[in-house]
Amino acid sequence: DVKVTQSSRYLVKRTGEKVFLECVQDMDHENMFWYRQDPGLGLRLIYFSYDVKMKEKGDIPEGYSVSREKKERFSLILESASTNQTSMYLCASGEASQETQYFGPGTRLLVL
Amino acid sequence: AQSVTQLGSHVSVSEGALVLLRCNYSSSVPPYLFWYVQYPNQGLQLLLKYTTGATLVKGINGFEAEFKKSETSFHLTKPSAHMSDAAEYFCAVSDIAGTYKYIFGTGTRLKVLA
Repeated sequence: DVKVTQSSRYLVKRTGEKVFLECVQDMDHENMFWYRQDPGLGLRLIYFSYDVKMKEKGDIPEGYSVSREKKERFSLILESASTNQTSMYLCASGEASQETQYFGPGTRLLVL
Repeated sequence: AQSVTQLGSHVSVSEGALVLLRCNYSSSVPPYLFWYVQYPNQGLQLLLKYTTGATLVKGINGFEAEFKKSETSFHLTKPSAHMSDAAEYFCAVSDIAGTYKYIFGTGTRLKVLA
């Protein structure tokens, strides 16, 4: 079974803090994705990566950056957290030649 | 740009009744189509997908969906709802080549009444 894990299920941070969300997959997938999920808006793509050190902006990259130094790990960074970044963050991975994405359990981030 | 519309943010059905969750997409080229389910406090789980071939697709937990190109629809159905089906359901489309980025609908929360 594909396993995608995220470093925290729940996180509480203060405005202005630097926040790291980590995602690890164990299936040697080339593609990895970060989404945020908000009620009534569904899932929106923040960034994705199709290879180590490669990244591409999604639909809502403002205020976020990413890092992929190893194939299995994809980190989402909030350089200076703001209250409007309070959300559920979901990581996913998938093979380069396959259309299916596999999702982690999500991190619920609260920024105070 | 592609878009996905899910009609009805909340749907309630009685246990044993038909489940119908609607999804329409906008694309001039038939994309890949997906339904995912999210149970409370969990990530998304793939229910079923359409890529090519048979337009009626069967998934897990008794769900199925039919791709109708003429209607640009991919509605999700289940003949008889079970209490355990209560969850949020997301329809998604992806491009057919390259990075397989998804565009998601806004989700439909299904409530099953006893």
